[in-house]
Amino acid sequence: DVKVTQSSRYLVKRTGEKVFLECVQDMDHENMFWYRQDPGLGLRLIYFSYDVKMKEKGDIPEGYSVSREKKERFSLILESASTNQTSMYLCASSSQQDLYQPQHFGDGTRLSIL
Amino acid sequence: KQEVTQIPAALSVPEGENLVLNCSFTDSAIYNLQWFRQDPGKGLTSLLLIQSSQREQTSGRLNASLDKSSGRSTLYIAASQPGDSATYLCAVRPFPGNTPLVFGKGTRLSVIA
Repeated sequence: DVKVTQSSRYLVKRTGEKVFLECVQDMDHENMFWYRQDPGLGLRLIYFSYDVKMKEKGDIPEGYSVSREKKERFSLILESASTNQTSMYLCASSSQQDLYQPQHFGDGTRLSIL
Repeated sequence: KQEVTQIPAALSVPEGENLVLNCSFTDSAIYNLQWFRQDPGKGLTSLLLIQSSQREQTSGRLNASLDKSSGRSTLYIAASQPGDSATYLCAVRPFPGNTPLVFGKGTRLSVIA
């Protein structure tokens, strides 16, 4: 069965900390995505990547960076965490070779910044 | 810029009822449309994917239709059950194809026993 795995379901950090959220997929997908989800705002795209070492800004990249050193792993980095980054973070992956296949999501990381 | 709207934001129905969830999009130039389900505190699960050339897709009690020219899709749920309670999101993949999905904000469905 296809799987997108996010390293933590819940995470509590302090303002100013550097925070790493990890995502791994086992489907050999080229495309990987990071979203945040907030009540009333829906899903918002932070960053995405179409290949190793590549990254593209989404709609709300400010305050975030990403790393894609291996095809299966896509990391989201909060350089200096702030309380307005408290949110649900969702990772997703999809095939670039077969656009008829659906996009798959991880279970999410609920991040609280105190 | 493509925009996706789902109305209503929330819906409550008695168990056993057939129901329709609506999704509209502003630009008909789409590659495909995907319906997702999200349970509270969880990620999204793909339910159905309709290619732009298709009119509908079915999976069990779920049927999704697509009218590209009018910019609309519906998700029909037959004989609803309490276990169907969740948030349902639709997303379109714009042309040329390998572009990020554009999501609606979802409809929160409650099926009352």
